[in-house]
Amino acid sequence: SQTIHQWPATLVQPVGSPLSLECTVEGTSNPNLYWYRQAAGRGLQLLFYSVGIGQISSEVPQNLSASRPQDRQFILSSKKLLLSDSGFYLCAWRGRGVGNTIYFGEGSWLTVV
Amino acid sequence: AQRVTQPEKLLSVFKGAPVELKCNYSYSGSPELFWYVQYSRQRLQLLLRHISRESIKGFTADLNKGETSFHLKKPFAQEEDSAMYYCAPEDSNYQLIWGAGTKLIIKP
Repeated sequence: SQTIHQWPATLVQPVGSPLSLECTVEGTSNPNLYWYRQAAGRGLQLLFYSVGIGQISSEVPQNLSASRPQDRQFILSSKKLLLSDSGFYLCAWRGRGVGNTIYFGEGSWLTVV
Repeated sequence: AQRVTQPEKLLSVFKGAPVELKCNYSYSGSPELFWYVQYSRQRLQLLLRHISRESIKGFTADLNKGETSFHLKKPFAQEEDSAMYYCAPEDSNYQLIWGAGTKLIIKP
């Protein structure tokens, strides 16, 4: 069966420090991969998605970047964190094709201090 | 741009009462539509999808193309239904568009 795991679950980082959140998927190949930010009252904001290795689409301009070095690995990064980067980040994967279910990781709480 | 609206940020009903969580979308095509749920301390997960025409945990959702709505309904709410619910239609590029979510609280 397919699984998705992201880490770390919680992270406290000082302003200006780098960030790396990792996400891996098992049990499937060539998935679409996503990074979302979940904010109370505002739903899910799509940050990045990837349809293949090295292919990243950015949905909103921000202080973050994403990379997909392997088929089932998706990384969310920042060179210098801002206070406004604090939040709950979700990784997700979805199979190819129309109408497929999207599956989410456990989420990562980032607090920038 | 395609949008989805969940007009209620918070919905509170008594146990045993009917529940309806509203969802309206703006898309002229025939999108696939999903409802996702997030229970306390659990990951966001699929509740049901339109294409399956199924009832999950007593919930159903009917697509009304005329009103472009996909409301989620349950005739008798249970306390374990308390959760955050998201409506998510699929756009023309097969990407999910997420509503802001409705927090459902079932009072005992």
